[in-house]
Amino acid sequence: QKEVEQNSGPLSVPEGAIASLNCTYSDRGSQSFFWYRQYSGKSPELIMSIYSNGDKEDGRFTAQLNKASQYVSLLIRDSQPSDSATYLCAVGNYGGSQGNLIFGKGTKLSVKP
Amino acid sequence: EAGVAQSPRYKIIEKRQSVAFWCNPISGHATLYWYQQILGQGPKLLIQFQNNGVVDDSQLPKDRFSAERLKGVDSTLKIQPAKLEDSAVYLCASSFVGQGRGSYNEQFFGPGTRLTVL
Repeated sequence: QKEVEQNSGPLSVPEGAIASLNCTYSDRGSQSFFWYRQYSGKSPELIMSIYSNGDKEDGRFTAQLNKASQYVSLLIRDSQPSDSATYLCAVGNYGGSQGNLIFGKGTKLSVKP
Repeated sequence: EAGVAQSPRYKIIEKRQSVAFWCNPISGHATLYWYQQILGQGPKLLIQFQNNGVVDDSQLPKDRFSAERLKGVDSTLKIQPAKLEDSAVYLCASSFVGQGRGSYNEQFFGPGTRLTVL
């Protein structure tokens, strides 16, 4: 059974701080890793994707991947109250018929003004 | 570029009734997914289509759920008869999937249909 584990939170950080969200996965064959943001009552929104070991930066977001440790993380710098949401980690194989994703339960982030 | 469209946005039915959801993916996306998201959980895949063929329906409760994508574009998911535990948000997603390595199935979600079974 392929699993993706996340701390459910809530994770509370003050405005302007760095929020660190973590995710571990069980399938060593996983090749693609995604972070989705989901506001309450809304659908998941893709914010980051990463496929190779190391860091990938996009604005205030940095995704980090360590395949040897089966660990992926998301850092949010200069956190804003608008970042308050549930962050879903999703893991999959690369394309074609192996394109489905396994999602974690999500970590709820609260950014306090 | 228009996103994934879904309808209806909300549906309330009684148990044992039937219900259908519709999804139109992003133009050009060959792969379409239906997910079920129960409150407090991550989305769980129900069925994956590539064009009009089923790729994975291993987690679809086939005694009551069915889905089709006849022309390889829009899709319908049906529940008949509904049970109380089917209350959830049903999400449709699509992706542009190429062949082989480098085709990394970024999936984009529609707004979802919130189903309440009474």
